[in-house]
Amino acid sequence: NAGVTQTPKFRVLKTGQSMTLLCAQDMNHEYMYWYRQDPGMGLRLIHYSVGEGTTAKGEVPDGYNVSRLKKQNFLLGLESAAPSQTSVYFCASTGQGGNQPQHFGDGTRLSIL
Amino acid sequence: KQEVTQIPAALSVPEGENLVLNCSFTDSAIYNLQWFRQDPGKGLTSLLLIQSSQREQTSGRLNASLDKSSGRSTLYIAASQPGDSATYLCAVFQGAQKLVFGQGTRLTINP
Repeated sequence: NAGVTQTPKFRVLKTGQSMTLLCAQDMNHEYMYWYRQDPGMGLRLIHYSVGEGTTAKGEVPDGYNVSRLKKQNFLLGLESAAPSQTSVYFCASTGQGGNQPQHFGDGTRLSIL
Repeated sequence: KQEVTQIPAALSVPEGENLVLNCSFTDSAIYNLQWFRQDPGKGLTSLLLIQSSQREQTSGRLNASLDKSSGRSTLYIAASQPGDSATYLCAVFQGAQKLVFGQGTRLTINP
């Protein structure tokens, strides 16, 4: 039972490079989320999706793009990485109804040099 | 804007003690509240979810309470064990199931 799987687990980028983080869930959840976690800042929502083909901005969306082409996948893209995007990125998913817990992946540790 | 605060930021207690972690939120218009556990280098594991209409939820040695009117929740851990050492986060649900997180309480249980 995989739950929420994030790839890659670690990555080091140079400023200006681009990359895509992949999140996959096998629980048939409608809602998916991308968060970043920084010391002293807690977890902050970047973007989220309430269903296949839909995306919406969260608290800190600048510098990121997302896509939800398939229900089970939610991609987070960095077009031109900046040192301020060094962080741990978490993906989460949950079902509809407002009464279900969010399930998190193990995170992607991203360093931008 | 919803703000979630957890006090204390860190707590160290000897094994076997009962303890309480606190969470407060500024906007009482929430759908529900969730408590998570995070181990170092790992993701978040959901512990308990309390609906806005509920007062408490229990799972094993854990009991979470919710008082919406005062904007407070507590997580009670009974008979603490070294394996309970982790960071505990509370988060409130607001609209489109978006979670707003506190910054967590880092708990250490000393053998």
